[in-house]
Amino acid sequence: AQRVTQPEKLLSVFKGAPVELKCNYSYSGSPELFWYVQYSRQRLQLLLRHISRESIKGFTADLNKGETSFHLKKPFAQEEDSAMYYCALLVDDKIIFGKGTRLHILP
Amino acid sequence: GAGVSQSPSNKVTEKGKDVELRCDPISGHTALYWYRQRLGQGLEFLIYFQGNSAPDKSGLPSDRFSAERTGESVSTLTIQRTQQEDSAVYLCASSPTRYEQYFGPGTRLTVT
Repeated sequence: AQRVTQPEKLLSVFKGAPVELKCNYSYSGSPELFWYVQYSRQRLQLLLRHISRESIKGFTADLNKGETSFHLKKPFAQEEDSAMYYCALLVDDKIIFGKGTRLHILP
Repeated sequence: GAGVSQSPSNKVTEKGKDVELRCDPISGHTALYWYRQRLGQGLEFLIYFQGNSAPDKSGLPSDRFSAERTGESVSTLTIQRTQQEDSAVYLCASSPTRYEQYFGPGTRLTVT
């Protein structure tokens, strides 16, 4: 069955420290994966997608098919990165979301 | 232009009543999705509309839930005989392609 797993509900990181939000997926086909972010009192929005191989707000994510992972990384956390992050998988034109990880940046 | 809008923003209803939630997608977006987000949970897919194709209803949790969409515009999600476990934020998203979804602000439903 298709599934997205985000093992951490909450991740607290000091400002300036590296960030890694974990995401693992289960899918038999060729995966198309995304990270969505929801800042406080804002709408859920797309952060990045693996097909674009882009870096947004300093975040990158690399698809590792061997480990079925799509972890989100940033080398130096900033306070404005505090938000809820969702990993998502495209399956038959609909997107399946993980349960999300709340990232809390400590001053 | 305007983003996805949803109404009402908050709805409190008594157990057993029917509720109707509305979503206005971005003009020109052929795809429309409904999700449910319970407290402390992720986004749960409910239903997906794509153009004039038959909707994908595979995520609807029970026959108390139904949704309609008029062409490529407004959609309504109806919950009949609401139960306390229906309390959640209901999110709507529209999409011009399969690669990006634009979310509305959500409707917070509380069933008392």
